[in-house]
Amino acid sequence: AQTVTQSQPEMSVQEAETVTLSCTYDTSENNYYLFWYKQPPSRQMILVIRQEAYKQQNATENRFSVNFQKAAKSFSLKISDSQLGDTAMYFCAFMIPGGSEKLVFGKGTKLTVNP
Amino acid sequence: DADVTQTPRNRITKTGKRIMLECSQTKGHDRMYWYRQDPGLGLQLIYYSFDVKDINKGEISDGYSVSRQAQAKFSLSLESAIPNQTALYFCATSDLRGASNQPQHFGDGTRLSIL
Repeated sequence: AQTVTQSQPEMSVQEAETVTLSCTYDTSENNYYLFWYKQPPSRQMILVIRQEAYKQQNATENRFSVNFQKAAKSFSLKISDSQLGDTAMYFCAFMIPGGSEKLVFGKGTKLTVNP
Repeated sequence: DADVTQTPRNRITKTGKRIMLECSQTKGHDRMYWYRQDPGLGLQLIYYSFDVKDINKGEISDGYSVSRQAQAKFSLSLESAIPNQTALYFCATSDLRGASNQPQHFGDGTRLSIL
């Protein structure tokens, strides 16, 4: 069974500082895709960043970057220069191409950015 | 206007009632999904559809049914609602024609409370 584990239920960071959210996953597949979604209090699910498992280079999107360690099945999210608007639940998810292509989600990490 | 629209946004109803949640999209995507979010559990797949003639069960389909009325519309029904179906429900879409790393796009969710 494919699973995603986010070991940090809650985290906090001071505005302008850097924070890293952890995610590990378990799959026997070699080809898959990884995502981080953000869910602010408005409850929308917003894509933050995505990574193809076949790419060694870590994805970056402005202040957001990932550390993808395929052998360790680890996919952490780093948020630099944290802003108050980054306060949200963050969900790690992966998807295996072919079949349903459903997203398998972790339980989420609640991030609070303090002024 | 939102690309993926869910109605209603919130709904309170009683045990035993039949409930329909609706989802419509203007993205022209073939794939549509229904997920359920419970506190502390991330999102779980209920049903998915790759086109109007294709309906598939997800991991938690018991007690639910769906209808793909058109490419743009995918509704979720609870035939006889029970309190443990109280949750936040999300509709999502993705593009079959694109690469598999195309992200799923989510609606704003329907918060359903069953008394």
